Amino acid sequence: DVKVTQSSRYLVKRTGEKVFLECVQDMDHENMFWYRQDPGLGLRLIYFSYDVKMKEKGDIPEGYSVSREKKERFSLILESASTNQTSMYLCASSLTVRANNEQFFGPGTRLTVL
Amino acid sequence: GESVGLHLPTLSVQEGDNSIINCAYSNSASDYFIWYKQESGKGPQFIIDIRSNMDKRQGQRVTVLLNKTVKHLSLQIAATQPGDSAVYFCAEFLRLPSGYALNFGKGTSLLVTP
Repeated sequence: DVKVTQSSRYLVKRTGEKVFLECVQDMDHENMFWYRQDPGLGLRLIYFSYDVKMKEKGDIPEGYSVSREKKERFSLILESASTNQTSMYLCASSLTVRANNEQFFGPGTRLTVL
Repeated sequence: GESVGLHLPTLSVQEGDNSIINCAYSNSASDYFIWYKQESGKGPQFIIDIRSNMDKRQGQRVTVLLNKTVKHLSLQIAATQPGDSAVYFCAEFLRLPSGYALNFGKGTSLLVTP
C-alpha cells in the first residue's frame, strides 16, 4: 500500500512565524502535491512537483513556497504565517505525470495561525 | 451572522437506500475524472474513476455516470451503509504545463441514518 505521511496532524503557530510542513511518500512516486482544504471551498492546489528540485505553481501559491530535495519528500513553507493561512493542508503523490494516475493523500495537517 | 459559502451541501439518506451525489465540472476538455471519499480526520481516498470516452463505470456498490454534454458527473451508492457517511468530492484532471493536477469540486456531505 502507498503510504503518504505528514509530519504533524495539528500545528499552532503565531503570525509572522516561518512554518514548515513536511510530507513523505514511500512508493517512489514522481509527482507530489500540496493542497489546502477550507470549508465550502474544497481542495485547492498550492504547488506541485513532478521531479526532484522541480516545482510548479498551482491555483493559490501566494504566501507559500516549496522544496523538493529528495524524491520522497516534499515540503511546504509558509515564509511568514498569517491568520488567513489557517487551514487543513493535504499532501498527495502520484506515480507519473499522466492524467490517469490516481493521487494518494496523506492524513492532513490542521494548521492554526494565531 | 452566517457566512456564505461555508456550508457543504448535505445529503441525508436512510441505511439501505441508494444515494446519488452530483457534481458539475468546469473544463469541457477534461478527459479523466475521479470520485474521492473523505472521512472525518482523514485525507481523501479514491473510490472510482472514469475516462471521458465512457459514460458509465461500475465498481463494488458504486457507479459513476458521466454526461459530457452538460459537464455533469454523478456517483451512485447502492444499499448505503453507515460507513458510507463522509464527504464526497469529484475531481477533474487539470492540465498544467508539466503534467496534471486535480481540480476538486467543493464536496457533498453524505449522512446515513439508521
